[in-house]
Amino acid sequence: NAGVTQTPKFQVLKTGQSMTLQCAQDMNHEYMSWYRQDPGMGLRLIHYSVGAGITDQGEVPNGYNVSRSTTEDFPLRLLSAAPSQTSVYFCASKLLAESTDTQYFGPGTRLTVL
Amino acid sequence: AQKITQTQPGMFVQEKEAVTLDCTYDTSDQSYGLFWYKQPSSGEMIFLIYQGSYDEQNATEGRYSLNFQKARKSANLVISASQLGDSAMYFCAMRSSGTYKYIFGTGTRLKVLA
Repeated sequence: NAGVTQTPKFQVLKTGQSMTLQCAQDMNHEYMSWYRQDPGMGLRLIHYSVGAGITDQGEVPNGYNVSRSTTEDFPLRLLSAAPSQTSVYFCASKLLAESTDTQYFGPGTRLTVL
Repeated sequence: AQKITQTQPGMFVQEKEAVTLDCTYDTSDQSYGLFWYKQPSSGEMIFLIYQGSYDEQNATEGRYSLNFQKARKSANLVISASQLGDSAMYFCAMRSSGTYKYIFGTGTRLKVLA
């Protein structure tokens, strides 16, 4: 089991560029989510999905798109990067019916937008 | 609206002593879950402990216990016998049962002194 994997680990973009952050899990988890972590702000939910073909917005969805075509993958797309999107991005997943509601996090992607 | 408040930006504790990290929450829902995560300097998010709102007993996991006071809407994390490896950022989080959205606090940075 690789758990939750994220690529890349680091990325530098110029303002206006687009890119996709990859997230994959091999635990057959229905629920997947994306967070951003900024200093002093904790983690904020961007988008989440409860299964293939089903996505919904979190607390800070503007500027980001997601899709869920398979159970395993949940990519996060930045359409036109802005310096305000400089952050550390975490992907997480969990079983919907798990008793302790535990999310398993990936190692994170550190994104810098110049 | 749901909210998590962690009022201690930083804490120090002597090795082998116990420490309490504060967390208060705000929700109008009756059914919800509360969580604590640890984030070491390496950056990964590690699940520590879960408490359901209907659980009558306080949750415990090894040296971690959650002091759940429902009427006060507090969910403090108690770490007993602190170790140097406990030095990290600690996040309190919650999820109401009627939503798939998790809310995180801003975190408390704990430093264990030798």
